[in-house]
Amino acid sequence: GEDVEQSLFLSVREGDSSVINCTYTDSSSTYLYWYKQEPGAGLQLLTYIFSNMDMKQDQRLTVLLNKKDKHLSLRIADTQTGDSAIYFCAESNPGGSQGNLIFGKGTKLSVKP
Amino acid sequence: DADVTQTPRNRITKTGKRIMLECSQTKGHDRMYWYRQDPGLGLRLIYYSFDVKDINKGEISDGYSVSRQAQAKFSLSLESAIPNQTALYFCATSDGLSRKTRETQYFGPGTRLLVL
Repeated sequence: GEDVEQSLFLSVREGDSSVINCTYTDSSSTYLYWYKQEPGAGLQLLTYIFSNMDMKQDQRLTVLLNKKDKHLSLRIADTQTGDSAIYFCAESNPGGSQGNLIFGKGTKLSVKP
Repeated sequence: DADVTQTPRNRITKTGKRIMLECSQTKGHDRMYWYRQDPGLGLRLIYYSFDVKDINKGEISDGYSVSRQAQAKFSLSLESAIPNQTALYFCATSDGLSRKTRETQYFGPGTRLLVL
């Protein structure tokens, strides 16, 4: 079945770049997403990429998509302490048993001053 | 005001008790979802509803039931709570239409449930 995998933890120093990686299995996913969960809050959509793109940049965020390898990454430039959160990768799965989105387990990003 | 609200925000209950978690949304979305979040397990889908008359089981529906009282309201019940249902519960909504349409889910703030 469909699955989304990502590492559970990442620790970086303030000012460095963070790269969070994700692999997915459904090659027919139309969109892939990154959600951010700040402490004590629900998830919020951070960014997304359409499957016919290989890169999307939005200010400090860069999303790279390698469809051949089914690999998605989120790069955060100049990481700040306010970026500390859990980041979830998700792929679209309309009509599947998991509703419309399949989420990874989340990567907890810790930013050290 | 928040678009997706959940009540209560925190709840402590005892094993065997029936409890209900409620979710309301003002986004006008047809689709609503209940997830639970456990450390190291990420989000797991419990139930989802694509409109008022449509209810679907998710990945982990055993021990839970839902009611879609109106487009704006979707409640989750634990008929007889057990300790391994201790978790953070999220409600979400979306207006996704098809595989070709971007699906954005909007999450509530979560309900932290502790079953003793």
